[in-house]
Amino acid sequence: RKEVEQDPGPFNVPEGATVAFNCTYSNSASQSFFWYRQDCRKEPKLLMSVYSSGNEDGRFTAQLNRASQYISLLIRDSKLSDSATYLCVVKSFNKFYFGSGTKLNVKP
Amino acid sequence: DGGITQSPKYLFRKEGQNVTLSCEQNLNHDAMYWYRQDPGQGLRLIYYSQIVNDFQKGDIAEGYSVSREKKESFPLTVTSAQKNPTAFYLCASSTKRANEQFFGPGTRLTVL
Repeated sequence: RKEVEQDPGPFNVPEGATVAFNCTYSNSASQSFFWYRQDCRKEPKLLMSVYSSGNEDGRFTAQLNRASQYISLLIRDSKLSDSATYLCVVKSFNKFYFGSGTKLNVKP
Repeated sequence: DGGITQSPKYLFRKEGQNVTLSCEQNLNHDAMYWYRQDPGQGLRLIYYSQIVNDFQKGDIAEGYSVSREKKESFPLTVTSAQKNPTAFYLCASSTKRANEQFFGPGTRLTVL
């Protein structure tokens, strides 16, 4: 079983749409949680950390459910520039585990 | 500017040759990591180092070797024992206390 699982997509949405990504992780002892964004043929970049209380950064909202071992990312009012692959990342002790990513295509 | 550099951006080698990928950081980070990414897949950990002169195997260390002689540098050697070395290789670093990782731009290795 993979440490982190994500729906690979692609999610094809029109500009202005709201889209949600989900992610599950297998290790209940995991300590930290993140969403990274990766553009085609580029390195991943941190989008936001995910906290138990939920957190928001502009159009992006992240949620963590430790009991269900589930992480989510909500993007409101999608922009063309949001098109990318979104990686769910979980840190357990000194190691980071990456999901395979969910691809988002925002269309005009 | 502080950051992580990887060189070269593209690398071509013949099968059976060892090749070393460079990773340098000037962020004063203690921890450094090497990942491999194949098309449509997530990042897989090859090796990581929490401190100078010490490193640990990740999930796919076979056919790779590393060294950590300086805090700033963590080179990765892809040996001829690695059965399928063609991939996108990413180096990352983080502080001991901070959670997030910062990535270099990556090296695309193609073995012909």
